Amino acid sequence: NAGVTQTPKFQVLKTGQSMTLQCAQDMNHEYMSWYRQDPGMGLRLIHYSVGAGITDQGEVPNGYNVSRSTTEDFPLRLLSAAPSQTSVYFCASSEGRQGTNYGYTFGSGTRLTVV
Amino acid sequence: AQSVTQPDIHITVSEGASLELRCNYSYGATPYLFWYVQSPGQGLQLLLKYFSGDTLVQGIKGFEAEFKRSQSSFNLRKPSVHWSDAAEYFCAVGAIEYGNKLVFGAGTILRVKS
Repeated sequence: NAGVTQTPKFQVLKTGQSMTLQCAQDMNHEYMSWYRQDPGMGLRLIHYSVGAGITDQGEVPNGYNVSRSTTEDFPLRLLSAAPSQTSVYFCASSEGRQGTNYGYTFGSGTRLTVV
Repeated sequence: AQSVTQPDIHITVSEGASLELRCNYSYGATPYLFWYVQSPGQGLQLLLKYFSGDTLVQGIKGFEAEFKRSQSSFNLRKPSVHWSDAAEYFCAVGAIEYGNKLVFGAGTILRVKS
């Protein structure tokens, strides 16, 4: 089925560990983004990309890195996990480089706990 | 900068009753407006969207929303709520000046009483 695939669905990390959250889409969407969802705060933008080789920071980028080597994949790297990064992470994609005319397609999320 | 306010954190309605979820945005130009729904443990699903034209937009699952520029609002409505509508609802705003970025409200949790 076409859509956005995130792996893993659940992850527990120890403080200081690093890991990569995977995101892949098969809709040939130019735009991809990562959000974190915390209770009472809605979704906050971490990083986004308007196409292969182009990334930029969102609202809460500290502690996270991204790269976009292909149109399909947009991994999110946690460099040194901290308890404050305990959250649910969503990847989303959208058609087109500019504008949000079509809305986002979301993945099912990764629930990350840092202990 | 764009911002979105959903004033109600929780709303409880009886099954069969009407529903209105409020959303106010702060943005100078013409925004793109969206409503998403999230069931527990799931991702977000697009309910409806407004870009231009008719200010009353229809979405999936019997939902509709009305854009009121004078009030900077985009409230979501449903005439008769079903138990399966219990979920969290997010309003989001975007604009071409900000590229594809969307700003989300904090969400409203809907509970449905039988």
